Amino acid sequence: KAGVTQTPRYLIKTRGQQVTLSCSPISGHRSVSWYQQTPGQGLQFLFEYFSETQRNKGNFPGRFSGRQFSNSRSEMNVSTLELGDSALYLCASSTTGTENIQYFGAGTRLSVL
Amino acid sequence: AQTVTQSQPEMSVQEAETVTLSCTYDTSESDYYLFWYKQPPSRQMILVIRQEAYKQQNATENRFSVNFQKAAKSFSLKISDSQLGDAAMYFCAYRRGGATNKLIFGTGTLLAVQP
Repeated sequence: KAGVTQTPRYLIKTRGQQVTLSCSPISGHRSVSWYQQTPGQGLQFLFEYFSETQRNKGNFPGRFSGRQFSNSRSEMNVSTLELGDSALYLCASSTTGTENIQYFGAGTRLSVL
Repeated sequence: AQTVTQSQPEMSVQEAETVTLSCTYDTSESDYYLFWYKQPPSRQMILVIRQEAYKQQNATENRFSVNFQKAAKSFSLKISDSQLGDAAMYFCAYRRGGATNKLIFGTGTLLAVQP
C-alpha cells in the first residue's frame, strides 16, 4: 500500500506570492491533517479535513486555507507569502474511528525569499 | 488548553544501552491518546508507540516501551538495546478523544546514539 504522498518536496517562492501544496492520503483514509514545522515554533496544527469538510482548524491567519476533494486528496494554499512562512509542511492521513493512527508524508519544504 | 512538554532537548546513549525520554502533558480531558513519533533526518514522521489513556497497562512495541503515569500526567519512552538507527528527533504527542485527529506535539528530544 502506498504511503502518504506530498508534492512537491521542495519549493522556493518570494514574498507576496501564493503557493499550493498537495497531499495524497493512503488509500481508504478519509481524514487529512496539515502541520507546520519550524525551528522556532515546532510542530503546529493547521487544519484537518474529513469527507471534504474542515473538521478542525488551528490558530493560523486566514492566508492559510485548505480543501479536500472527493477522492480524499487535499491541498493547502498560502496566499501573500511572508518570510515567516518558510517551514516544513507535513500532511498526515488516518482512518476513521476513535483509535485511528495518523501516518505522515515526507513533507514539503517551503522557502520564502 | 492541552499542552505537551519535553524537558530534554538532547539526549545521548551508547549503542546497546537503554535510554529514557521524558514527556509530561496537561489536560482536563479523561479520554485521550498519547503517542511517541520519531523523525529521522529524512523528515518522515514515524509512529513509535501509542497509549490509550483508559488502559492502565503500559504499551510495548519490541524494544520500545512507555511508562504511563496518568495521575502524574507523565508519559516517558524507554528504548532498550539502542541501535544506530534509533538516532532521530523524538516527539511526544497528545490527541483528545472524539472526532478529531488534531495532535499537540512537544518540542522534541534529539537522540544521538554513540557506537
